Amino acid sequence: AQSVTQPDIHITVSEGASLELRCNYSYGATPYLFWYVQSPGQGLQLLLKYFSGDTLVQGIKGFEAEFKRSQSSFNLRKPSVHWSDAAEYFCAARMDSSYKLIFGSGTRLLVRP
Amino acid sequence: GAVVSQHPSWVICKSGTSVKIECRSLDFQATTMFWYRQFPKQSLMLMATSNEGSKATYEQGVEKDKFLINHASLTLSTLTVTSAHPEDSSFYICSAREPTQETQYFGPGTRLLVL
Repeated sequence: AQSVTQPDIHITVSEGASLELRCNYSYGATPYLFWYVQSPGQGLQLLLKYFSGDTLVQGIKGFEAEFKRSQSSFNLRKPSVHWSDAAEYFCAARMDSSYKLIFGSGTRLLVRP
Repeated sequence: GAVVSQHPSWVICKSGTSVKIECRSLDFQATTMFWYRQFPKQSLMLMATSNEGSKATYEQGVEKDKFLINHASLTLSTLTVTSAHPEDSSFYICSAREPTQETQYFGPGTRLLVL
């Protein structure tokens, strides 16, 4: 079955520390992949996306993600976390021509001062 | 670019009334929009796909007579929650597909509270 998995429900990091949020997908081909961020009570903001080509993609706010076909993963990284990065992060994938997105369950990021 | 707005941002209504939520793509034309529902501390649940000029496609388990969707123009889709009940209270989010970028952009959401 097609699915997106974010294995970490919560992650806590200290401000200034590096961050990696995990995302795995289950699909027979390479999907279109996205990372979105949601602040409390807000909609979702696109951080970055991968369709094809260079497997390391750069996004907004200093985030990057790396697509690894062999691991069916698309992990999000940031070298130095800021307190304002505390939010909910969603990985999503488009796996067919319907344009629907399949979302992971989200990872809540907490930042320690 | 690629801005999506929603109106209202929050609404409180009495049980039995109907509520309309608007979703607009402000700087691009969207032939396809999506409506999601999000429960507290949970992920987004797709309710329906709204296609301009045609009937919406509802996900399994979503009552089409309860959640009426109209996509009358390339920049506007509306979701009407008919005869709302307390269990319909939720956070509703729309998105619009920007066709040149093959990307969904999301509105800020509408919080509905039915008393």
